[in-house]
Amino acid sequence: GAGVSQSPSNKVTEKGKDVELRCDPISGHTALYWYRQSLGQGLEFLIYFQGNSAPDKSGLPSDRFSAERTGGSVSTLTIQRTQQEDSAVYLCASSFGTSGSEQYFGPGTRLTVT
Amino acid sequence: AQSVTQLDSHVSVSEGTPVLLRCNYSSSYSPSLFWYVQHPNKGLQLLLKYTSAATLVKGINGFEAEFKKSETSFHLTKPSAHMSDAAEYFCVVSDVNRDDKIIFGKGTRLHILP
Repeated sequence: GAGVSQSPSNKVTEKGKDVELRCDPISGHTALYWYRQSLGQGLEFLIYFQGNSAPDKSGLPSDRFSAERTGGSVSTLTIQRTQQEDSAVYLCASSFGTSGSEQYFGPGTRLTVT
Repeated sequence: AQSVTQLDSHVSVSEGTPVLLRCNYSSSYSPSLFWYVQHPNKGLQLLLKYTSAATLVKGINGFEAEFKKSETSFHLTKPSAHMSDAAEYFCVVSDVNRDDKIIFGKGTRLHILP
């Protein structure tokens, strides 16, 4: 079956522009996660959704970052006024539940801010 | 609060020799523990998980991990390394019955020497 998909796969943007990243989770998965992976930094948790609500937004690096999820399915991560330090691979994952459930990861969106 | 520490950022072993990737965690509650693998230019994939059943957990590709509560460890092992095991490995902790926060370790890059 279809896995987690993310779009675009690559995004190059100029500093100061806004970008929107999209994640399509596996159908039926209630939990959705966003992570950022910078070179040599491991995975940084950003936010997760249970259904359409986000119980934990503590990982968002600044108020330039926001995310939403509608219909318990697709999620978008928006970065406003991008900075060079935002350059990273943004990964999305989904799972049936949380805690003990396996997360299925998408291929990621590579964001480059010039 | 939860945390996870991967003690080695890089590990090099010769093909055919044992692999040991170390992970220590701290958790106030009953943790779920995972190991994920990320091959170069590929997505993250679950290797194995512990969720309070058997303390010795077997995963894919011949890997296994033992949950040791007294040592707060969840080290990943494999008896005989293969060239295809070269990848980055992430130890992950999640507290069941807590706020479902999931914490990734910084990763260990495994190099296999011919």
